[in-house]
Amino acid sequence: ILNVEQSPQSLHVQEGDSTNFTCSFPSSNFYALHWYRWETAKSPEALFVMTLNGDEKKKGRISATLNTKEGYSYLYIKGSQPEDSATYLCAFTGGSYIPTFGRGTSLIVHP
Amino acid sequence: DGGITQSPKYLFRKEGQNVTLSCEQNLNHDAMYWYRQDPGQGLRLIYYSQIVNDFQKGDIAEGYSVSREKKESFPLTVTSAQKNPTAFYLCASSIERGFGGYTFGSGTRLTVV
Repeated sequence: ILNVEQSPQSLHVQEGDSTNFTCSFPSSNFYALHWYRWETAKSPEALFVMTLNGDEKKKGRISATLNTKEGYSYLYIKGSQPEDSATYLCAFTGGSYIPTFGRGTSLIVHP
Repeated sequence: DGGITQSPKYLFRKEGQNVTLSCEQNLNHDAMYWYRQDPGQGLRLIYYSQIVNDFQKGDIAEGYSVSREKKESFPLTVTSAQKNPTAFYLCASSIERGFGGYTFGSGTRLTVV
């Protein structure tokens, strides 16, 4: 079973703060790295799919970077809003082409 | 609108009973997956299917069974052999194995009483 680690496990920030969290994954046999946002009582929603070393993706105030050589991806949220409160999941896909999920980072943004 | 429908949302099972969780998609996706989530844990893969009439075991397949008789449907049966079935179950699909992101259902919470 592949080791995909996310840190921190949970995070509390104030509205307007910028924040970031990490996904670590094996640095060999890389195929893709996905980020999902999972709000309470909803289905996980795809944010980004990243496939190339050095990829940077952006969607509004959320952005992500990818380093496949050292095996990590960062997710950044600029100017957090209460509606950003969710669990953020990363999923690593390697040679098996089946994603392995991390445990997620739970973000709570306080008004 | 296209999507994945899981039913029921909540399910209670007596010990020793088999139960079947439904997962239906109208996205025309080839690949479908079942995951289990326990408190404090990540999503763990139970079974996946790439095409009709074919499926593969995931990391925690013991005590579960699946079928894929139609492209749209991938039901999961939790058998009495599953020692700790109380969990949250998520179904997902993708265009093909490893390609693009998943589309997820809204999940079924199974409780053994």
